[in-house]
Amino acid sequence: EAGVAQSPRYKIIEKRQSVAFWCNPISGHATLYWYQQILGQGPKLLIQFQNNGVVDDSQLPKDRFSAERLKGVDSTLKIQPAKLEDSAVYLCASSPPSGEQYFGPGTRLTVT
Amino acid sequence: GNSVTQMEGPVTLSEEAFLTINCTYTATGYPSLFWYVQYPGEGLQLLLKATKADDKGSNKGFEATYRKETTSFHLEKGSVQVSDSAVYFCALSDGYSGAGSYQLTFGKGTKLSVIP
Repeated sequence: EAGVAQSPRYKIIEKRQSVAFWCNPISGHATLYWYQQILGQGPKLLIQFQNNGVVDDSQLPKDRFSAERLKGVDSTLKIQPAKLEDSAVYLCASSPPSGEQYFGPGTRLTVT
Repeated sequence: GNSVTQMEGPVTLSEEAFLTINCTYTATGYPSLFWYVQYPGEGLQLLLKATKADDKGSNKGFEATYRKETTSFHLEKGSVQVSDSAVYFCALSDGYSGAGSYQLTFGKGTKLSVIP
């Protein structure tokens, strides 16, 4: 069974530029999560989808971050404009009805 | 709100040494508790979990017991190997909010290095 796929694996951009990350969850997993993991810290939930609907985006900085999951499968997370403090690893996870979360390898973003 | 506190790393051990990584939590109600492991260059993988007080989770020689009285979920392994070198995260979920929807609160992680 294929795992959660994410791309790109690495991205370097300058501040004020925009960037987008892509996630393909495990087939059949209705729930999808995006996390931000700053160096030296644990992952922090940004947004949670159930199919193509948002369950929780209370910790998403909506002035610069956006996410969508239009067809209830793939998801895209966008940052526009990026700030230095957005440098982090962005993790995508998906879960089946049992609730266990399966994580992708992450995208490491460096903002210079 | 919910929070998880882990012992600070890094932890460096010799092969076959005994491992303990401390984890305590603050939560309302009766959370489920998890240990995740992150190997270099890879995503987080669930290592073990416990869903109620006094439950013991175990996997790959690792164990952790859900202690409600001390709000702890310490990770232990009797004899570590070089291949156990990774970052370990303690996490909690304070409930199932419907249709595959658990939210996790993570600790900061503890980096373990095992030397031959």
